[in-house]
Amino acid sequence: EPEVTQTPSHQVTQMGQEVILRCVPISNHLYFYWYRQILGQKVEFLVSFYNNEISEKSEIFDDQFSVERPDGSNFTLKIRSTKLEDSAMYFCASSLLAGEYNEQFFGPGTRLTVL
Amino acid sequence: QKEVEQNSGPLSVPEGAIASLNCTYSDRGSQSFFWYRQYSGKSPELIMFIYSNGDKEDGRFTAQLNKASQYVSLLIRDSLPSDSATYLCAVKQKASGTYKYIFGTGTRLKVLA
Repeated sequence: EPEVTQTPSHQVTQMGQEVILRCVPISNHLYFYWYRQILGQKVEFLVSFYNNEISEKSEIFDDQFSVERPDGSNFTLKIRSTKLEDSAMYFCASSLLAGEYNEQFFGPGTRLTVL
Repeated sequence: QKEVEQNSGPLSVPEGAIASLNCTYSDRGSQSFFWYRQYSGKSPELIMFIYSNGDKEDGRFTAQLNKASQYVSLLIRDSLPSDSATYLCAVKQKASGTYKYIFGTGTRLKVLA
């Protein structure tokens, strides 16, 4: 069964460093998303992406964040200068269509630890 | 800010009992509702979704939706210790050109053997 994959599973970085989190969405899906979950808190929407453009971003997704689909398979989230409060699980998701009734499929997540 | 509210728990039930998980939402225009299960350190896993008022059954799981009361619930029958997890209620909200999930904080369920 096709699935969303994410690498690495755990990333440790120093405050102020840049990190890139990678995702491979399900191959025929067209819409891509990043969510984040700080330990013990709710899953929060960061950004949605379609046709090589950001469709929507939350207030969390500030200038330190960027997303890119550098080739036909990868979807990346870059944090330019990490802060302690960026420590969280980051989940990538994808969906075939963008309708209200279409499921988004989640990847296993990347745990980001900022020291 | 459109919100989804859940009791954080933990909700403890004995093995074999019915677990009842509840969720309320503030956006009266919401049409689609999802229940996810999340084990510690893992990603959310879809259990079921519901769009219409009333009950929807899938195996041991029943989702119930009441749009007038802005209330959605999940019943788990014949609870197993392996059902112990955090259950996330999610509501789809319109974003620009797509939809995003708004999640509740989740209810932690403990099924006692």
